[in-house]
Order: sequence, then C-alpha cells, then structure tokens
Amino acid sequence: EPEVTQTPSHQVTQMGQEVILRCVPISNHLYFYWYRQILGQKVEFLVSFYNNEISEKSEIFDDQFSVERPDGSNFTLKIRSTKLEDSAMYFCASSEVQGPGGPQHFGDGTRLSIL
Amino acid sequence: KQEVTQIPAALSVPEGENLVLNCSFTDSAIYNLQWFRQDPGKGLTSLLLIQSSQREQTSGRLNASLDKSSGRSTLYIAASQPGDSATYLCAVKGFNKFYFGSGTKLNVKP
Repeated sequence: EPEVTQTPSHQVTQMGQEVILRCVPISNHLYFYWYRQILGQKVEFLVSFYNNEISEKSEIFDDQFSVERPDGSNFTLKIRSTKLEDSAMYFCASSEVQGPGGPQHFGDGTRLSIL
Repeated sequence: KQEVTQIPAALSVPEGENLVLNCSFTDSAIYNLQWFRQDPGKGLTSLLLIQSSQREQTSGRLNASLDKSSGRSTLYIAASQPGDSATYLCAVKGFNKFYFGSGTKLNVKP
C-alpha cells in the first residue's frame, strides 16, 4: 500500500538555525498538510497546500514557517530561526481529495529537537 | 472553533475485555471522522474512517459509530489484546484540515 514518507526521522538543531523537514506524499495525491504535536499535547494543524499554494494555515503558521513543493514528489516545511518551543513531532499528510471523501494519510513524523 | 474531547484520558483493562472509547465534538458540520492509533514516539495509523453520512464502520474487532447531530463518536474494541495498547486519537475533518482530540491512552494487561 502506498504511504507517506518523511525524512529525517529525528532532527537535532541548535536554536536559531534553519531546518527543513521533508515529505514525499502518496504519488496521486493533490492535497498536502503539515501538523505538529508537542510532547504530551494534541496534534495541531499547521498548513494545507494545493496547486502550489497555501490553502489554509493556522495561527501557529507565522512568518517563521514556509512550505514548498520544489519538485513533483517532495513537500517541505522550512522553519527559520528555530526556537526551543518548536521542538515537537511534525507530521506530513496527503489526501487525494479535500472536503468530503477520502482520508488524510499520515507519515511517521519527524521528531525535531531544538537545543 | 471546533473542539474535540476524548474520554477517558486513560484506560487500563484486563485482556479479553470489550471496551468503548468516547469522542465528542462541538461543531456538527464535519465531513468525516477518523480514528487513529498512535504508539509511543510513532506516527498515526488510520483505523477507521466514517463519512458524515454514515452511522458506523467496522474493521475486524473494531467498530466506530458516529452521531453527527449530537457531536459524538465511539470506538468499540472487542476482545481486547495486549497488542491493542496504544493511544487512540479521534479526529474530525473540516473542509481542509483535521481537528484532533487529546487521545485515550489504552493499556491492556495480559
């Protein structure tokens, strides 16, 4: 069964550095998402992306964050000038359709640790 | 804003018991509801998806129900096994994103 893959599985970065989290969505999916989960807290929506544009973003997704689909297969989340509170598990998801219909398929996540 | 609540936060049962996990949401205007399993430090594994027009879905020992008008869903696990031990997350889908509950941490004792 096709799956969403995320790399790296664990990223350790010094505070203030930039980090790029990578995702390869399922190949025929058109809608892409990033979520994060701070340890012990709920999974929170960050951003959705379709047709090379952000469809929706949460209040968490400020100017520190950006997303990009640099080629036909990858979907990236860039975090500039990382802060301690950015430490979390970041999940990528993709879906074939938005709105009613199919589920979002989630990757295994990237654990980001900011030192 | 949609709020999703899961009760109980934690549950410990002996192997073989049937159990029910509860999920409630404040805005009934959802497209679907999905139950996930999360093992410690791992990603989200989809268990069941219920469309807003459906009342229940079954997969093996799992049965999920949805009462959209009252903002409730239940996940029923039959004949629980130690391998079922994990955190179970409920997520409701708006047009473009999921809203997650905090999860129920299940421990099935051998």
